[in-house]
Amino acid sequence: AQSVTQLGSHVSVSEGALVLLRCNYSSSVPPYLFWYVQYPNQGLQLLLKYTSAATLVKGINGFEAEFKKSETSFHLTKPSAHMSDAAEYFCAVTGYSGGGADGLTFGKGTHLIIQP
Amino acid sequence: KAGVTQTPRYLIKTRGQQVTLSCSPISGHRSVSWYQQTPGQGLQFLFEYFSETQRNKGNFPGRFSGRQFSNSRSEMNVSTLELGDSALYLCASTQGSQGETQYFGPGTRLLVL
Repeated sequence: AQSVTQLGSHVSVSEGALVLLRCNYSSSVPPYLFWYVQYPNQGLQLLLKYTSAATLVKGINGFEAEFKKSETSFHLTKPSAHMSDAAEYFCAVTGYSGGGADGLTFGKGTHLIIQP
Repeated sequence: KAGVTQTPRYLIKTRGQQVTLSCSPISGHRSVSWYQQTPGQGLQFLFEYFSETQRNKGNFPGRFSGRQFSNSRSEMNVSTLELGDSALYLCASTQGSQGETQYFGPGTRLLVL
């Protein structure tokens, strides 16, 4: 069984400030971890993905995330927030159950607000 | 390559009716997964189809069903609609292997009155 906890349903930062969105996961098998972003009235867009090749993962739009097994965390960061980063962010986990493309288990999401 | 497409984008139904949603995956992708997104429950996995066979299933009642055609296009059906079925239904496609990135479509927003 897998689960994802995203701390903070809303996070507000000033434009130009550091963005930190927290994600902790639980998985009984080695996990694949993802961060997706959702803009209003749109589907989900992949930001980045962890697949055990490297613990620090770089994604699109300047985002990156670090996998920490000891802390079961996969927090998302961006050094300098931009107004266009305002959106809903989802952390997701999947594992191998023998069935191939397993369903993603998502966190509840974090709404990122950028203040001018 | 064209992305994942879903039709229709918006739908209004009344309680007790049934509805069919369609998803066309990225060309070459053989796996299609469906998700329900609601404000209360968030994003939840419904089921996944690969080569016309349901391979994985989430925890939803039997009113929710799906199928996949030989060209990998997939349909999802909800029978006897309830108010709580109002949601954004998202489909995602992959080539079908373990741990692959799922690419999402724009979703179908269903409103049940």
